[in-house]
Amino acid sequence: DTAVSQTPKYLVTQMGNDKSIKCEQNLGHDTMYWYKQDSKKFLKIMFSYNNKELIINETVPNRFSPKSPDKAHLNLHINSLELGDSAVYFCASSLMLTGLKNIQYFGAGTRLSVL
Amino acid sequence: GDSVTQMEGPVTLSEEACLTINCTYTATGYPSLFWYVQYPGEGLQLLLKATKADDKGSNKGFEATYRKETTSFHLEKGSVQVSDSAVYFCALGNTDKLIFGTGTRLQVFP
Repeated sequence: DTAVSQTPKYLVTQMGNDKSIKCEQNLGHDTMYWYKQDSKKFLKIMFSYNNKELIINETVPNRFSPKSPDKAHLNLHINSLELGDSAVYFCASSLMLTGLKNIQYFGAGTRLSVL
Repeated sequence: GDSVTQMEGPVTLSEEACLTINCTYTATGYPSLFWYVQYPGEGLQLLLKATKADDKGSNKGFEATYRKETTSFHLEKGSVQVSDSAVYFCALGNTDKLIFGTGTRLQVFP
């Protein structure tokens, strides 16, 4: 039973298109995150949500819009895709917001390729 | 701001060799420290953690000690296996998020 699942696993699309990535966690956690991992494996937080409320927005372009319909879901919609958006996007969740002791659980990632 | 620096990879070892991956951090306050591992084609998973100075985290033969005086959290294993081949991320946890290092790829050959 997958704890954090994201779909799709692979996404290939043309520049200028709009796409969405979905994430669901069945751990009962309050906090969810989106990360972007570039080709050099550098992992950078994009957003965090706590109880459906946006907490962190790390200077991500407005083309990226997260949506959290409930605590268990955090979706990522991307408008007008650009070549530089090609990356692996990871969803994660943790019991609560603080990073001091909380373990984050990661999904398997969505590999986005923009052509 | 808070940051994590870890050694560049790849680290290439023969099976049963000793491993050390260096990690140092800069932080205000009293962060927690983590090592996460990413196996090929998978998401990150927690390997070990330490929440205060002098704590030692350990798991699957890996260990790391939270050293406040040297602001370090180096990952060590006495005898690596081919199955340990992965990317290892050092991370710092503060009040609202994790901050990751750049990752170190470990390749272990038979």
